[in-house]
Amino acid sequence: GIQVEQSPPDLILQEGANSTLRCNFSDSVNNLQWFHQNPWGQLINLFYIPSGTKQNGRLSATTVATERYSLLYISSSQTTDSGVYFCAVEGGADGLTFGKGTHLIIQP
Amino acid sequence: EPEVTQTPSHQVTQMGQEVILRCVPISNHLYFYWYRQILGQKVEFLVSFYNNEISEKSEIFDDQFSVERPDGSNFTLKIRSTKLEDSAMYFCASSEVGPQHFGDGTRLSIL
Repeated sequence: GIQVEQSPPDLILQEGANSTLRCNFSDSVNNLQWFHQNPWGQLINLFYIPSGTKQNGRLSATTVATERYSLLYISSSQTTDSGVYFCAVEGGADGLTFGKGTHLIIQP
Repeated sequence: EPEVTQTPSHQVTQMGQEVILRCVPISNHLYFYWYRQILGQKVEFLVSFYNNEISEKSEIFDDQFSVERPDGSNFTLKIRSTKLEDSAMYFCASSEVGPQHFGDGTRLSIL
């Protein structure tokens, strides 16, 4: 099946810093989503982005489908941005394949 | 904005018992999914459901598991003869064409 690799696995930043999270995938995809899992375990959908670029406030994402990667940018980090960020992709089958996530800690 | 609703939020069950996890997908969605996340690990796909039948299932989804859409609004996951290793967060999701929308999950603890 399709493989998803996320980097870095862990990231510790000071409040106000910017960060870039990367997601590489092994095959063409119909769907790519970025999620933020908060400390209560909820999966918050950030972006649906199988290709192109989107922005939502301090967050933006870019997927280059031909090169099989996606990037999530977080600018002016806040402590509430802490948590695990997952990339998930869907190839020909129905289910999403998740990466192992990037664990982000924003220190005040 | 419509949401996927899951109940209960936390379920504690003795090993060997049966559990039913419940989900109410977004009303106009046609595709339904169950995922599992063992503590500290990534989210794993279990099964997808479309047109009143399973459309895809993973290796995890063995004979211990079953899904059902008992009426027009609910979507359930049944786990028979629960084992300690079934302890996990279980997420339901639904979609039409496009992104999958996830519920808040049911945390299942097997004692």
